[in-house]
Amino acid sequence: GAVVSQHPSRVICKSGTSVKIECRSLDFQATTMFWYRQFPKQSLMLMATSNEGSKATYEQGVEKDKFLINHASLTLSTLTVTSAHPEDSSFYICSARRQLTNEQFFGPGTRLTVL
Amino acid sequence: QKEVEQDPGPLSVPEGAIVSLNCTYSNSAFQYFMWYRQYSRKGPELLMYTYSSGNKEDGRFTAQVDKSSKYISLFIRDSQPSDSATYLCAMGPAGGTSYGKLTFGQGTILTVHP
Repeated sequence: GAVVSQHPSRVICKSGTSVKIECRSLDFQATTMFWYRQFPKQSLMLMATSNEGSKATYEQGVEKDKFLINHASLTLSTLTVTSAHPEDSSFYICSARRQLTNEQFFGPGTRLTVL
Repeated sequence: QKEVEQDPGPLSVPEGAIVSLNCTYSNSAFQYFMWYRQYSRKGPELLMYTYSSGNKEDGRFTAQVDKSSKYISLFIRDSQPSDSATYLCAMGPAGGTSYGKLTFGQGTILTVHP
């Protein structure tokens, strides 16, 4: 099967610090990865599309300077939440689109708590 | 009106029942469809992927797509307590600027009682 990992699974940080979340496709190549945010009892909200070797595309209302995305290889994308504040506390989930198909496989998610 | 409508439930059924989950959509550009299962505090798990009208079966799960009516369904046979989760429908266009992006339904919360 197709496996996507995310690290860390949970992070607690102080306000003002930066947090990096890694997303890896373990057994397939992904030219495109996606970053989502999910609030309790709500569906997934797409934040940005991460393309290998190029700049990420952000959805309307998402601050690109606050949520830095880097897609360094066909198997790795990172999301950095810069100068985190309590309102950034959320469940962040990445997905990877398998090359040549449209199937998207999700990581297990990262729960971020900003104190 | 949302592009994808999904009844949030909650839906409660006894073990062994057949479960029917449904989504309707309005964007005719959507050409491929997926169903995900999400347990609490976990990432969604891909259950079914299909891109044509008709039925697709995988074990206890059957995905049904009717593009003419813009309606998709997921049937779960012989439901088990372990099927208790939130089920999300998702769909996307075959091309264009939104290619690769998924639009999700709100999710249906399912509980299967022993």
